[in-house]
This record gives sequence, structure tokens and C-alpha cells, in this order.
Amino acid sequence: GNSVTQMEGPVTLSEEAFLTINCTYTATGYPSLFWYVQYPGEGLQLLLKATKADDKGSNKGFEATYRKETTSFHLEKGSVQVSDSAVYFCALSDSYSGGSNYKLTFGKGTLLTVNP
Amino acid sequence: KAGVTQTPRYLIKTRGQQVTLSCSPISGHRSVSWYQQTPGQGLQFLFEYFSETQRNKGNFPGRFSGRQFSNSRSEMNVSTLELGDSALYLCASSLDGGGGTGELFFGEGSRLTVL
Repeated sequence: GNSVTQMEGPVTLSEEAFLTINCTYTATGYPSLFWYVQYPGEGLQLLLKATKADDKGSNKGFEATYRKETTSFHLEKGSVQVSDSAVYFCALSDSYSGGSNYKLTFGKGTLLTVNP
Repeated sequence: KAGVTQTPRYLIKTRGQQVTLSCSPISGHRSVSWYQQTPGQGLQFLFEYFSETQRNKGNFPGRFSGRQFSNSRSEMNVSTLELGDSALYLCASSLDGGGGTGELFFGEGSRLTVL
């Protein structure tokens, strides 16, 4: 079945540091890939997405590139801020037709803390 | 426009009891999904409803059930509660189930504690 593996946290960085959160996946079909973010006390929000190989998703300074050859979708940001402190989830949706089309498979999440 | 609303936000139950959680999706969204979030297992898919029909179900025991009403509001029920059911239950709505776009809109969750 589908699965997502992301780097264990927590990750602690100083403001303006470079961020990478690794994500690899296993999937049948042709998955779409996503990063969601969960700020303290809130629900998850879609951060960015990529629907096919070599696509780059970007939002709020975050980027991730869909690498089919390495089955990866690593999240990066050049300069993190204190307000980026949150839990980040990598997820996939198998866009191949079938019942699994109606759910997302999530990684376990990575807690990021950014200190001033 | 109003987001996804989940009620209650917090609840405490004892083993053996049952619980019903409610979710009101964003207006116009016909799909509602439910996820269980725990520190150990992360986010696990429970089920997804579209136009009152369950289209997909995760790997949870039959004690977990759900339904969707004609106005797209959804409820999930957990019977015979166990300690391990303590979790944050998240509801997400979307236009089509999110399978293609991944655009799920999540509520803040209902935090269930089982004593």
C-alpha cells in the first residue's frame, strides 16, 4: 500500500536558517504530493502541492520538487522565521482511479521550532 | 466564508461509553473525510463520505462508524470506547474528496480523552 516517510523531529533552528525536511514515498499509480502545516491549536492547512513528476510546488517561501526517480518530495525554505514554527506533514494521494482516490496518506509529521 | 466546524472541541469519556462527533463542512463542499491523529500513529484515515455515501474506509474496527446527511454535515460515532481511542479527531471537507487536488480543508478537531 501507499506510505510516506518523513524525517523524525523535532527540528530546532535559529531564525534565518535554511530548512530541509525530507520526505520519501511509496505508492502505486501516479500520486500527487502535498505538504500540510499544522500551527499550534489549529487544523491542518495545505502548504503546497505537486501533481506530476518534476513539478515544483511553492508557497510562503517554501518549495518542494516532485522527484519520481528518487520518490522524494523534500520541503525547503531558505530563511525560516519564528512564525514558521509548526508541525509539517508530507502526504500523497494516489490519483489513479479507484477507491484510494478519496484519501490522503500522511507522514507522521515533523515538529519545527524556530528560535529568535 | 466559514471554515470547517467541529463540535465538541473537547470531551472526556470513560471506557465502554460511546461518543458522537459532528462536522459541518464548508458551504458547497460535498465531501467530508475523517482522520484520527495520535502522537504514535500520526494521521490515520477513518472514512470519507460524498453525497451521503461512504466511498472509502480506513483500517479501523467496526466500533468506528460515520454518516453524512443531505446537507453534507457529517457525524462519526465510536462505540465501546477504549483507552487507545484517545486522540484528536479531524474532519476535512473538499469539493470532490481531495483525491486529485489534495485540497482538503481541515477543522480544528475534537479532542477525545478516554479515562
